[in-house]
Amino acid sequence: AQTVTQSQPEMSVQEAETVTLSCTYDTSESDYYLFWYKQPPSRQMILVIRQEAYKQQNATENRFSVNFQKAAKSFSLKISDSQLGDAAMYFCAYTGANSKLTFGKGITLSVRP
Amino acid sequence: GAVVSQHPSRVICKSGTSVKIECRSLDFQATTMFWYRQFPKQSLMLMATSNEGSKATYEQGVEKDKFLINHASLTLSTLTVTSAHPEDSSFYICSARFIQETQYFGPGTRLLVL
Repeated sequence: AQTVTQSQPEMSVQEAETVTLSCTYDTSESDYYLFWYKQPPSRQMILVIRQEAYKQQNATENRFSVNFQKAAKSFSLKISDSQLGDAAMYFCAYTGANSKLTFGKGITLSVRP
Repeated sequence: GAVVSQHPSRVICKSGTSVKIECRSLDFQATTMFWYRQFPKQSLMLMATSNEGSKATYEQGVEKDKFLINHASLTLSTLTVTSAHPEDSSFYICSARFIQETQYFGPGTRLLVL
C-alpha cells in the first residue's frame, strides 16, 4: 500500500520569505501523480500544484514550486515570497493506478506579518 | 475550469432523520467522484468512490447502508446519511476526478446531528 508522510505538523514563515514543506512517500508503482493541496480556514481544498512521476522537470505554479526527487521518494513544496493568504493547512497527496488519493497528515503553515 | 459545487454547505438535523448532500461538477463531466469525511485538524478520510451508472465502492469500515451514494449522471453524485446519529456529525467533502487523475474538491458540508 502507498503511504504519504508529512513529519512536520506545523511551520511558520515571515511574510515575503521562502518556506519549504516536506513530504515523502512510499510506493512500488512506477506511474503515479503527486499533489499539494491547500486547505484554508474555509476548509475548501484547493489544488496548489501537480507533478507527474514520469516528468523529470519540477512543476512550478507562480510562487509555488516543487522539488521532486523520484529515487528518494521525496516531494517538497517551496513557497516563495510568502503572503498572509498562504496561511493554511497543506496536504501532500499521492495517486496511482487505483485513482484514489492517499493524503499525508497535513502541515499547518502560519505566516507572520 | 474544474469547479465542483456541494449543497448544502451546512445542515443541522435531528437524530434519526436522513440528510442528502449533493455534489456537482459544474464545467466538466465526471465519471468518478469521491466522498470524504474530515474531522477537525485531521486529514481527509476516503469513504467511497462513486462511479456514474454503477454501484459505489466503499472503503473498509464504512457502512454502505448508512451512507447511500448515487451517481446518476456525469455531473451529479449524492450522499445520503440515513438515520443520522450524533456520531455522524462531521465535515463531508466530495471531489470529482478530472484530467491527469486530478481531483477537484467541493467546498464541503458541515453536518450536525442533534
